[in-house]
Amino acid sequence: DTGVSQDPRHKITKRGQNVTFRCDPISEHNRLYWYRQTLGQGPEFLTYFQNEAQLEKSRLLSDRFSAERPKGSFSTLEIQRTEQGDSAMYLCASSPRAQSSYNEQFFGPGTRLTVL
Amino acid sequence: GQNIDQPTEMTATEGAIVQINCTYQTSGFNGLFWYQQHAGEAPTFLSYNVLDGLEEKGRFSSFLSRSKGYSYLLLKELQMKDSASYLCAQNRDDKIIFGKGTRLHILP
Repeated sequence: DTGVSQDPRHKITKRGQNVTFRCDPISEHNRLYWYRQTLGQGPEFLTYFQNEAQLEKSRLLSDRFSAERPKGSFSTLEIQRTEQGDSAMYLCASSPRAQSSYNEQFFGPGTRLTVL
Repeated sequence: GQNIDQPTEMTATEGAIVQINCTYQTSGFNGLFWYQQHAGEAPTFLSYNVLDGLEEKGRFSSFLSRSKGYSYLLLKELQMKDSASYLCAQNRDDKIIFGKGTRLHILP
């Protein structure tokens, strides 16, 4: 399968713990995006990378969230000191084009986080 | 989400036609996506409009009017499997900004 993969698919943690999610994009896609989605809402943009460079980070993203893409391939999203409000589906998407008006994004299956 | 408006829910009958409307913010506009999302699954791409007009792809068609900041998704010959959320999303300044989605219920 050459689609976007995410690991783990589900994560249950206690409030205050740190969690880390991984995303493997479609190979040779140079853009990688992270979104958060809660029930009844559309995906909410968190941050994105072009190769290894983090180009933008949402103002909604607190300093407890950090993302990396060290070699321009896979990416990790870490949440420190988790809160119950962090419970959501975390979606990763990749896009093949660096600069184009056409920016189709291919989504992974998501990681569902539950903070108890 | 961020000035993208679409109805929260719609109901239609199997075999019928339904139109889901979307209005968006025109500034920074580069294109308009429609995605389908079944419950518990990731969004899947349906269509992308950059120019004004109607684009048809099988049972699904998408329309765009850039001057009005308006798009719609038209679904024909509805099937039960079309029960899902439909997300209108704007390609804006190199990001994709999603609406909250329209939950479509199909009745037999």
